[in-house]
Amino acid sequence: DAGITQSPRHKVTETGTPVTLRCHQTENHRYMYWYRQDPGHGLRLIHYSYGVKDTDKGEVSDGYSVSRSKTEDFLLTLESATSSQTSVYFCAISASRWETQYFGPGTRLLVL
Amino acid sequence: AQTVTQSQPEMSVQEAETVTLSCTYDTSESDYYLFWYKQPPSRQMILVIRQEAYKQQNATENRFSVNFQKAAKSFSLKISDSQLGDAAMYFCAYTRIGGATNKLIFGTGTLLAVQP
Repeated sequence: DAGITQSPRHKVTETGTPVTLRCHQTENHRYMYWYRQDPGHGLRLIHYSYGVKDTDKGEVSDGYSVSRSKTEDFLLTLESATSSQTSVYFCAISASRWETQYFGPGTRLLVL
Repeated sequence: AQTVTQSQPEMSVQEAETVTLSCTYDTSESDYYLFWYKQPPSRQMILVIRQEAYKQQNATENRFSVNFQKAAKSFSLKISDSQLGDAAMYFCAYTRIGGATNKLIFGTGTLLAVQP
Protein backbone atom coordinates (compact mmCIF):
# COMPACT_ATOMS: atom_id res chain seq x y z
CA ASP A 1 0.00 0.00 0.00
CA ALA A 2 1.14 3.51 -0.84
CA GLY A 3 2.21 5.45 2.25
CA ILE A 4 -0.51 8.06 2.43
CA THR A 5 -2.07 9.37 5.60
CA GLN A 6 -4.76 11.96 6.09
CA SER A 7 -5.52 13.96 9.20
CA PRO A 8 -7.88 14.34 10.83
CA ARG A 9 -9.88 11.28 9.85
CA HIS A 10 -13.10 12.76 11.17
CA LYS A 11 -14.04 16.34 11.90
CA VAL A 12 -17.17 18.17 12.94
CA THR A 13 -17.15 21.93 12.60
CA GLU A 14 -19.51 24.85 12.44
CA THR A 15 -20.47 26.98 9.47
CA GLY A 16 -18.11 29.89 8.96
CA THR A 17 -15.09 28.37 10.66
CA PRO A 18 -11.82 27.67 8.81
CA VAL A 19 -10.80 24.04 8.40
CA THR A 20 -7.51 22.55 7.22
CA LEU A 21 -7.09 18.97 6.13
CA ARG A 22 -3.66 17.44 5.77
CA CYS A 23 -2.37 14.82 3.40
CA HIS A 24 1.04 13.30 4.09
CA GLN A 25 2.90 10.87 1.83
CA THR A 26 6.09 8.91 2.29
CA GLU A 27 6.46 7.87 -1.38
CA ASN A 28 8.18 11.04 -2.61
CA HIS A 29 5.61 11.29 -5.41
CA ARG A 30 5.49 14.52 -7.35
CA TYR A 31 1.74 14.72 -7.93
CA MET A 32 -0.87 15.09 -5.21
CA TYR A 33 -4.61 15.57 -5.49
CA TRP A 34 -7.62 16.42 -3.38
CA TYR A 35 -11.02 14.92 -4.26
CA ARG A 36 -14.37 15.07 -2.57
CA GLN A 37 -16.87 12.23 -2.59
CA ASP A 38 -20.59 12.88 -2.47
CA PRO A 39 -23.53 10.53 -3.06
CA GLY A 40 -24.56 10.51 -6.71
CA HIS A 41 -21.37 12.21 -7.86
CA GLY A 42 -18.58 9.72 -7.38
CA LEU A 43 -15.30 11.55 -6.67
CA ARG A 44 -14.58 15.01 -8.04
CA LEU A 45 -11.24 16.79 -8.23
CA ILE A 46 -10.88 19.91 -6.06
CA HIS A 47 -7.22 20.89 -6.52
CA TYR A 48 -4.01 19.20 -7.46
CA SER A 49 -0.28 19.83 -7.15
CA TYR A 50 2.49 19.00 -9.58
CA GLY A 51 5.36 20.01 -7.32
CA VAL A 52 6.33 22.08 -4.31
CA LYS A 53 4.47 25.38 -4.51
CA ASP A 54 2.89 24.34 -7.83
CA THR A 55 -0.86 23.89 -7.63
CA ASP A 56 -3.87 24.23 -9.88
CA LYS A 57 -7.64 24.08 -9.71
CA GLY A 58 -9.87 21.12 -10.39
CA GLU A 59 -13.55 21.09 -11.28
CA VAL A 60 -14.99 21.95 -7.85
CA SER A 61 -12.42 24.38 -6.44
CA ASP A 62 -14.70 27.20 -5.27
CA GLY A 63 -14.41 27.70 -1.51
CA TYR A 64 -11.17 25.73 -1.24
CA SER A 65 -7.50 26.62 -1.27
CA VAL A 66 -4.40 24.44 -1.12
CA SER A 67 -0.76 24.72 -0.27
CA ARG A 68 2.27 22.54 -0.73
CA SER A 69 5.46 23.72 0.95
CA LYS A 70 7.07 20.27 1.09
CA THR A 71 6.96 17.31 -1.25
CA GLU A 72 5.33 15.13 1.37
CA ASP A 73 2.53 17.44 2.53
CA PHE A 74 -0.49 18.81 0.71
CA LEU A 75 -2.94 20.91 2.69
CA LEU A 76 -6.56 21.62 1.81
CA THR A 77 -8.16 24.63 3.47
CA LEU A 78 -11.79 25.59 3.67
CA GLU A 79 -11.55 29.30 4.41
CA SER A 80 -15.09 29.53 5.76
CA ALA A 81 -16.81 26.17 5.90
CA THR A 82 -20.36 25.82 4.59
CA SER A 83 -22.83 22.97 4.93
CA SER A 84 -22.39 22.18 1.23
CA GLN A 85 -18.80 21.22 2.02
CA THR A 86 -19.93 18.35 4.20
CA SER A 87 -18.31 15.45 2.39
CA VAL A 88 -15.65 12.79 2.44
CA TYR A 89 -12.31 14.14 1.27
CA PHE A 90 -9.68 11.96 -0.34
CA CYS A 91 -6.08 12.71 -1.05
CA ALA A 92 -4.34 10.86 -3.88
CA ILE A 93 -0.77 10.69 -5.15
CA SER A 94 0.93 9.64 -8.35
CA ALA A 95 4.58 9.32 -9.26
CA SER A 96 4.22 11.10 -12.55
CA ARG A 97 1.53 12.81 -14.50
CA TRP A 98 -0.04 9.74 -16.11
CA GLU A 99 0.75 7.17 -13.50
CA THR A 100 -1.98 5.52 -11.48
CA GLN A 101 -3.31 7.54 -8.58
CA TYR A 102 -3.30 5.92 -5.15
CA PHE A 103 -5.65 7.14 -2.49
CA GLY A 104 -5.43 7.93 1.18
CA PRO A 105 -7.96 6.65 3.73
CA GLY A 106 -10.22 9.71 3.51
CA THR A 107 -11.45 12.37 5.93
CA ARG A 108 -15.11 12.63 6.83
CA LEU A 109 -16.06 16.28 7.37
CA LEU A 110 -19.38 17.40 8.79
CA VAL A 111 -20.22 21.11 8.72
CA LEU A 112 -23.11 22.02 10.99
CA ALA B 1 -16.67 17.04 -21.71
CA GLN B 2 -15.79 13.53 -20.79
CA THR B 3 -18.31 11.56 -18.77
CA VAL B 4 -18.39 8.14 -17.18
CA THR B 5 -21.66 6.29 -16.67
CA GLN B 6 -22.35 3.31 -14.44
CA SER B 7 -25.94 2.34 -15.05
CA GLN B 8 -26.20 -0.31 -12.33
CA PRO B 9 -26.50 1.34 -8.90
CA GLU B 10 -26.59 -2.05 -7.18
CA MET B 11 -25.72 -5.62 -8.10
CA SER B 12 -25.81 -8.91 -6.23
CA VAL B 13 -23.92 -12.14 -6.79
CA GLN B 14 -23.72 -15.51 -5.06
CA GLU B 15 -20.42 -16.50 -3.58
CA ALA B 16 -18.24 -18.39 -6.12
CA GLU B 17 -20.30 -17.08 -9.04
CA THR B 18 -19.29 -14.57 -11.71
CA VAL B 19 -20.60 -11.04 -11.99
CA THR B 20 -20.06 -8.29 -14.56
CA LEU B 21 -20.24 -4.59 -13.75
CA SER B 22 -20.92 -2.20 -16.61
CA CYS B 23 -19.29 1.11 -17.44
CA THR B 24 -19.59 3.34 -20.46
CA TYR B 25 -17.75 6.56 -21.12
CA ASP B 26 -17.90 9.41 -23.53
CA THR B 27 -14.79 11.02 -24.96
CA SER B 28 -13.47 12.31 -28.24
CA GLU B 29 -9.91 11.52 -27.23
CA SER B 30 -7.98 8.53 -28.51
CA ASP B 31 -5.38 8.27 -25.75
CA TYR B 32 -6.62 7.63 -22.26
CA TYR B 33 -6.59 5.23 -19.33
CA LEU B 34 -9.52 3.51 -17.71
CA PHE B 35 -9.64 2.20 -14.16
CA TRP B 36 -11.75 0.24 -11.79
CA TYR B 37 -11.46 1.17 -8.13
CA LYS B 38 -12.99 -0.73 -5.24
CA GLN B 39 -14.27 1.00 -2.12
CA PRO B 40 -15.11 -1.39 0.74
CA PRO B 41 -16.97 -0.24 3.87
CA SER B 42 -13.67 1.05 5.25
CA ARG B 43 -13.94 3.77 2.54
CA GLN B 44 -10.41 3.12 1.30
CA MET B 45 -10.17 3.51 -2.49
CA ILE B 46 -8.30 0.50 -3.86
CA LEU B 47 -7.13 0.14 -7.44
CA VAL B 48 -8.49 -3.04 -8.99
CA ILE B 49 -7.35 -2.82 -12.58
CA ARG B 50 -6.10 -0.41 -15.21
CA GLN B 51 -6.50 -0.45 -18.98
CA GLU B 52 -4.54 1.61 -21.47
CA ALA B 53 -6.71 2.61 -24.43
CA TYR B 54 -3.94 1.89 -26.95
CA LYS B 55 -3.75 -1.73 -25.83
CA GLN B 56 -6.17 -4.08 -27.52
CA GLN B 57 -5.59 -6.83 -24.99
CA ASN B 58 -7.96 -6.77 -22.05
CA ALA B 59 -6.31 -6.27 -18.66
CA THR B 60 -6.48 -9.05 -16.09
CA GLU B 61 -5.60 -9.18 -12.40
CA ASN B 62 -6.21 -12.58 -10.85
CA ARG B 63 -10.00 -13.00 -10.60
CA PHE B 64 -10.66 -9.56 -12.09
CA SER B 65 -10.74 -8.93 -15.82
CA VAL B 66 -12.14 -6.29 -18.10
CA ASN B 67 -13.92 -6.29 -21.42
CA PHE B 68 -12.68 -3.16 -23.15
CA GLN B 69 -14.59 -2.22 -26.27
CA LYS B 70 -13.01 1.00 -27.52
CA ALA B 71 -15.35 1.62 -30.43
CA ALA B 72 -18.38 1.13 -28.22
CA LYS B 73 -16.75 3.10 -25.38
CA SER B 74 -17.53 0.31 -22.98
CA PHE B 75 -15.37 -0.94 -20.11
CA SER B 76 -16.95 -3.68 -18.03
CA LEU B 77 -15.42 -5.47 -15.05
CA LYS B 78 -15.83 -9.20 -14.60
CA ILE B 79 -15.29 -10.73 -11.18
CA SER B 80 -14.89 -14.50 -11.25
CA ASP B 81 -15.29 -16.85 -8.28
CA SER B 82 -16.80 -14.03 -6.20
CA GLN B 83 -15.75 -13.89 -2.56
CA LEU B 84 -17.37 -12.24 0.44
CA GLY B 85 -14.49 -9.77 0.51
CA ASP B 86 -15.45 -8.53 -2.94
CA ALA B 87 -18.51 -6.82 -1.48
CA ALA B 88 -17.90 -3.11 -2.00
CA MET B 89 -18.71 -0.07 -4.09
CA TYR B 90 -16.97 -0.22 -7.44
CA PHE B 91 -16.08 2.91 -9.37
CA CYS B 92 -15.14 3.17 -13.01
CA ALA B 93 -12.82 6.07 -13.82
CA TYR B 94 -11.28 7.70 -16.88
CA THR B 95 -8.32 9.97 -17.40
CA ARG B 96 -7.24 11.59 -20.60
CA ILE B 97 -3.58 11.44 -21.59
CA GLY B 98 -2.07 14.74 -22.68
CA GLY B 99 -4.53 17.11 -21.12
CA ALA B 100 -3.68 19.93 -18.76
CA THR B 101 -4.47 17.85 -15.70
CA ASN B 102 -4.35 14.21 -14.76
CA LYS B 103 -7.92 14.42 -13.59
CA LEU B 104 -9.73 11.21 -12.87
CA ILE B 105 -13.37 11.34 -13.92
CA PHE B 106 -15.44 8.92 -11.92
CA GLY B 107 -18.75 7.23 -12.47
CA THR B 108 -21.30 7.20 -9.67
CA GLY B 109 -20.46 3.68 -8.60
CA THR B 110 -22.05 0.23 -8.40
CA LEU B 111 -22.67 -1.31 -5.00
CA LEU B 112 -21.91 -5.03 -5.15
CA ALA B 113 -23.36 -7.40 -2.58
CA VAL B 114 -22.01 -10.95 -2.30
CA GLN B 115 -24.45 -13.50 -0.91
CA PRO B 116 -23.04 -16.50 0.99
